Amino acid sequence: GESVGLHLPTLSVQEGDNSIINCAYSNSASDYFIWYKQESGKGPQFIIDIRSNMDKRQGQRVTVLLNKTVKHLSLQIAATQPGDSAVYFCAETSAGDYKLSFGAGTTVTVRA
Amino acid sequence: SAVISQKPSRDICQRGTSLTIQCQVDSQVTMMFWYRQQPGQSLTLIATANQGSEATYESGFVIDKFPISRPNLTFSTLTVSNMSPEDSSIYLCSVVPSGTYNEQFFGPGTRLTVL
Repeated sequence: GESVGLHLPTLSVQEGDNSIINCAYSNSASDYFIWYKQESGKGPQFIIDIRSNMDKRQGQRVTVLLNKTVKHLSLQIAATQPGDSAVYFCAETSAGDYKLSFGAGTTVTVRA
Repeated sequence: SAVISQKPSRDICQRGTSLTIQCQVDSQVTMMFWYRQQPGQSLTLIATANQGSEATYESGFVIDKFPISRPNLTFSTLTVSNMSPEDSSIYLCSVVPSGTYNEQFFGPGTRLTVL
C-alpha cells in the first residue's frame, strides 16, 4: 500500500545549527501535509502544515518545503534549541478526507 | 486550535479486562478520530468517531475489540476490550476543529499497559 516514510530515523544537531528533517510520500492523491512534534510522554503537537498548491510555508523558526515532483517534504528548523529535541512526524491526507497517514518519525537530539 | 483532554492519562490493566478512555474537547469539532501508537512506533488510525452513529473502522480494527461512542460534538469514548499485552500502547484522540481547513490536533494520550 501507499505510505509516508522518513529518510532518517535519527538526527543529532548542535545547538544553534539548522536542522533539516526529510519525508517521502507515495500517495499522489495527497494534497495536505502536516508536521508534528512529539515530546516524551505527550501527544503530537501541530507544528506547521502545507497544502499542495504551495511549495513553501514559513512559521516561527520553521519552514516546510514541498516538492510534488519527487513527492518529498522537508521541515527546516532554524537555530535549533534544546527544546526542539523530540520525535518529528510528517503526516499526509487528502482534502475532505481528514484521515492522516503518518511517517515513521525522526528523533532529533540537540547537543549543547 | 482546541483544548483536548483524555482520561485516564495512564493505566495498568490485567489481561481479559476492558478499559474505556474518554476524550473531551473544549469546542465543537468537525471530526474526531482515535489513533494507536505502539511503543517506539508511529501513529495508526483506529477509527473515525461519528456523532450519533457507528464509528468507521480502519482495516485491522473491529468494533467488538474497540467499541467507540460519540454522543455529541465534543465528547467520545474508546473502549479496549478483552485486553492482551499486545494492546499495550498509547491511545490518542484527535480532532479537526470546526471552521478550520484540515488542521488536526491531538490529545495528550492514554498510556495503557496490559499485564
